[in-house]
Amino acid sequence: EAQVTQNPRYLITVTGKKLTVTCSQNMNHEYMSWYRQDPGLGLRQIYYSMNVEVTDKGDVPEGYKVSRKEKRNFPLILESPSPNQTSLYFCASSTGTGWLYGYTFGSGTRLTVV
Amino acid sequence: EDQVTQSPEALRLQEGESSSLNCSYTVSGLRGLFWYRQDPGKGPEFLFTLYSAGEEKEKERLKATLTKKESFLHITAPKPEDSATYLCAVHGSMNRDDKIIFGKGTRLHILP
Repeated sequence: EAQVTQNPRYLITVTGKKLTVTCSQNMNHEYMSWYRQDPGLGLRQIYYSMNVEVTDKGDVPEGYKVSRKEKRNFPLILESPSPNQTSLYFCASSTGTGWLYGYTFGSGTRLTVV
Repeated sequence: EDQVTQSPEALRLQEGESSSLNCSYTVSGLRGLFWYRQDPGKGPEFLFTLYSAGEEKEKERLKATLTKKESFLHITAPKPEDSATYLCAVHGSMNRDDKIIFGKGTRLHILP
């Protein structure tokens, strides 16, 4: 089944403790992206990657890092999480130019930072 | 600045009661308008892309239409399983190729 897999689904952590949210897709998609979704603010892009070793900032990149060493994987790293990073996170992927064909989203990771 | 505004924020309908969701947009050079469905606890699921005014697309009980300023998602004789949040998004010619701007969504609840 074609899908984007995120792990973990739920995570509670403490301020300052480094964490990684993994994202993997099995569709051989070039493009991958991370979004966060907050009530009243909608979906906002954090980082994106056009292909292996090519990453760039989205609209809200502060406090996050990413890497794209393999085509299928695009982990999101929070090196020193803070409570304002409590949110619902989605990884998305698409073939080529994503806007044309629509994105495939993962099921989300609900992160709570206390 | 590109903007997407969806209305209403929430809508409750009886099963079988048809209605429409609105997506108003401001974008420089619309290249595509998208509708996604999002179920609670899940990621958005792609429904449609509309490219130009006058275009229409259908999928089961859903029909999306597009004008130069807004898009409508018409729901005909909805069923409880159509309950979800519906997201609208746009891509403009002034944006990078991958970037789309999402609206905040309309929460639709269909009562049996």
